[in-house]
Amino acid sequence: SQTIHQWPATLVQPVGSPLSLECTVEGTSNPNLYWYRQAAGRGLQLLFYSVGIGQISSEVPQNLSASRPQDRQFILSSKKLLLSDSGFYLCAWSLAGGYNEQFFGPGTRLTVL
Amino acid sequence: AQSVTQLGSHVSVSEGALVLLRCNYSSSVPPYLFWYVQYPNQGLQLLLKYTSAATLVKGINGFEAEFKKSETSFHLTKPSAHMSDAAEYFCAVTEYTGNQFYFGTGTSLTVIP
Repeated sequence: SQTIHQWPATLVQPVGSPLSLECTVEGTSNPNLYWYRQAAGRGLQLLFYSVGIGQISSEVPQNLSASRPQDRQFILSSKKLLLSDSGFYLCAWSLAGGYNEQFFGPGTRLTVL
Repeated sequence: AQSVTQLGSHVSVSEGALVLLRCNYSSSVPPYLFWYVQYPNQGLQLLLKYTSAATLVKGINGFEAEFKKSETSFHLTKPSAHMSDAAEYFCAVTEYTGNQFYFGTGTSLTVIP
């Protein structure tokens, strides 16, 4: 069966510090991968998605970036965090083909102080 | 362009009462529709999906949804609410050729004992 992991589970970082969140998927090959952000009391905002290694599509211009160095690894990064980057970050995967359901990881709670 | 509208950001029902969460979609092509549930500080879990087969879709935890093309709706129902149903619910739409989902802003369900 397939599983998706995210770490860390929680993170408190000062403004201006770097960020690296990692997501890995097990039990499948060539998945589509997604990063979402959920601000307090808000819906899901798609940040990035990837249909293959090295292929990243950005949905929202901001100080975040994403990379996919391996087939089942998706990394969200920032060089300098802003207060507005605080939120709940969710990684998801789906089978290739955007009409397939997405499966979500447990999330990372990021607080920027 | 695709979009989803969830009417009512907060819904309260008594334990044992009918649950009705509304979702209307906009899509220029036949849509694929999904309902997800999110418990506090967790990722999203798929409740059910519509992929152009039967219009009445049954999901987990006693939930079901009916696709009504004429009304562009995909409302989520459950005959009898349980305390454990208290959570955030998200409707999402995509299409066959798409690579991403479009989520509604969510409905927070409160179950009153």
